Amino acid sequence: DTAVSQTPKYLVTQMGNDKSIKCEQNLGHDTMYWYKQDSKKFLKIMFSYNNKELIINETVPNRFSPKSPDKAHLNLHINSLELGDSAVYFCASSLTVNEQFFGPGTRLTVL
Amino acid sequence: AQSVTQLGSHVSVSEGALVLLRCNYSSSVPPYLFWYVQYPNQGLQLLLKYTSAATLVKGINGFEAEFKKSETSFHLTKPSAHMSDAAEYFCAVKGNYGQNFVFGPGTRLSVLP
Repeated sequence: DTAVSQTPKYLVTQMGNDKSIKCEQNLGHDTMYWYKQDSKKFLKIMFSYNNKELIINETVPNRFSPKSPDKAHLNLHINSLELGDSAVYFCASSLTVNEQFFGPGTRLTVL
Repeated sequence: AQSVTQLGSHVSVSEGALVLLRCNYSSSVPPYLFWYVQYPNQGLQLLLKYTSAATLVKGINGFEAEFKKSETSFHLTKPSAHMSDAAEYFCAVKGNYGQNFVFGPGTRLSVLP
């Protein structure tokens, strides 16, 4: 069974649109994350969230917002998409200080 | 603040040769250290982790890493490279006081026949 899943795997959209990426984990972890991986493979954390606290990387534009309907889900909503948002977005989850488990990624292309 | 550097954005080795991928970290608190591997078009997969137990850590696929506090290093090694080892490798650090994971820039490993 998939531990961390993301949908969709590929997302192609026009500039200015609003889109969401969904993430679910079935590991019982208490913290979930969103990362952006650019074309040079550099991983940048965008958000970390547990049932108590949302930590936002201050460099992330406020067009990006995480939404967590429950402990097992952390969706990423993006408003007014820009060309520079094109990247691979990874969801991950962890339990306290243990390693993070990553989803398969969502490749976002903004045209 | 924590940070991770990985010397060499691209490393090439011959099949059967030693693999050495370098990772140095800076952390103001005792760190947890990790190596992840990313195969093309896939997510990251944990290779191994150091969590203040044994300094020599063995991971999957024959990889191991040694934590050297005096050198603030956590280099990844494998005695004999296999073609299937070709991938992107990321070193990561996490403090044990609630800090987030910080990833290095990655090293792309190519294995030549």
